[in-house]
Amino acid sequence: DVVLTQTPSTLSATIGQSVSISCRSSQSLLDSAGNTYLYWYLQRPGQSPQLLIYLVSNLGSGVPNRFSGSGSGTDFTLKISGVEAEDLGVYYCMQATHAPLTFGSGTKLEIK
Amino acid sequence: QVQLTESGPGLVHPSETLSLTCTVSGFSLTGYSVYWVRQPSGKGLEWMGRMRYNGDTSYNSALKSRLSISRDTSKNQVFLKMNSLQTDDTGTYYCTRGTWDWGQGTLVTVSS
Repeated sequence: DVVLTQTPSTLSATIGQSVSISCRSSQSLLDSAGNTYLYWYLQRPGQSPQLLIYLVSNLGSGVPNRFSGSGSGTDFTLKISGVEAEDLGVYYCMQATHAPLTFGSGTKLEIK
Repeated sequence: QVQLTESGPGLVHPSETLSLTCTVSGFSLTGYSVYWVRQPSGKGLEWMGRMRYNGDTSYNSALKSRLSISRDTSKNQVFLKMNSLQTDDTGTYYCTRGTWDWGQGTLVTVSS
C-alpha cells in the first residue's frame, strides 16, 4: 500500500500567519494517463472531513482561495495564506492513484 | 443538493456482524461511486472499500475477507456488512460520494 507521510503532525499558528503542510508519498502518484490523484481534506472538531483541494491543486467548491495545493510525483504541499480562526482542525492528504486509497496520518492545526 | 446519511445499530457485540446503510440524495448511484471510510476514535482515516457507479466493488485488502458492499439503486442506498467484529473496529463510519462529499458519519461501538 502507498504510505503518505505528513509533516508536521502539529502546527501552531497565529491569525494571519501563512503555513504549509507537506505530504510525501512512498510511490509516485502520477498515473499512466498523466493524472495525479492527490487530495486534501480538513476535518474540523466534531465534523466529517471536507474536501479542500482535488487533483493536487484544484480548489474545492466553496473553499476560500487562501488555500492552495502544489506538488508532483511524490511531494505535495498544502499552503494556507493567512490562517483564519475557522481553519483549525486536522488536515489530511489522500491518494487515489493506487488501490487501496490511503490517507496521511493528519496534521493538527492549532490557533495561538 | 448532495446528501449522504449513514445509519446503523450503534452497538455491536464482539464476533457479530456490522450492517450499515448509506442513503443518498442529490445524485445517482449509477453515476458516482460511493466509498466507505472509517475512523477509530481520536485517530486517522482508513478507506474500507467502494461501490463503483457500474456496480463493481473493490475492497481494502486488510478488510477484504470480512467486508461486503452492495447497493439498491431503486432505494438510493449502499450497504456495508462486516463480520467478526472486534473492539478495534470501534469508530465512526462514513460513506462518501467518491472523493467529494461525506456523510456525517455513524458511531459504531464494539463491546460486550
